[in-house]
Amino acid sequence: AQSVTQLDSQVPVFEEAPVELRCNYSSSVSVYLFWYVQYPNQGLQLLLKYLSGSTLVESINGFEAEFNKSQTSFHLRKPSVHISDTAEYFCAVIGGGGSYIPTFGRGTSLIVHP
Amino acid sequence: DTEVTQTPKHLVMGMTNKKSLKCEQHMGHRAMYWYKQKAKKPPELMFVYSYEKLSINESVPSRFSPECPNSSLLNLHLHALQPEDSALYLCASSPLDRAGNTIYFGEGSWLTVV
Repeated sequence: AQSVTQLDSQVPVFEEAPVELRCNYSSSVSVYLFWYVQYPNQGLQLLLKYLSGSTLVESINGFEAEFNKSQTSFHLRKPSVHISDTAEYFCAVIGGGGSYIPTFGRGTSLIVHP
Repeated sequence: DTEVTQTPKHLVMGMTNKKSLKCEQHMGHRAMYWYKQKAKKPPELMFVYSYEKLSINESVPSRFSPECPNSSLLNLHLHALQPEDSALYLCASSPLDRAGNTIYFGEGSWLTVV
């Protein structure tokens, strides 16, 4: 069985401040991890993913996430946020062993204030 | 290109109407999905087609009827819906890779049942 916990339902920050959105997972087998972003009135966009290899993965718009197996975490970080980063962020996990359907966390609403 | 195209973007229908949502992908993906999403909630899986065959039906009411005419197209036929069915309906596709099945979403169809 696999599950995802996003600890914060809402994270308010000021523009140009750093941010971390937390994601913890549980799975009995190896995992594949994803972050999706949903801007207002839009669909979900893949932000970044960890499948294998380097534990630090980056997106094209400055976000990064690090796979930490010992802490079963995949936290999303950005050193300096913009107003345009205001969105809903969903963490998702696929447990290995033949599973191919992701389990989504409840989502974290990132609100960037000027 | 990681594009999944959905039409229409907005749909308003009465409880006695019959309508359809359409989805198309040209990435050669072997799996296609329908999700339902309520505001500020994660997407809920409804149906999965893999290799053009219905592989998962998450106990969805029969007033929702999926159809996969070919490997690039996915439809969701709607009939006798209820106001509580109003939501964002997301189509998605994925390659069904063994090493992590990355799912790509469309922009969604906003459905309002009156």
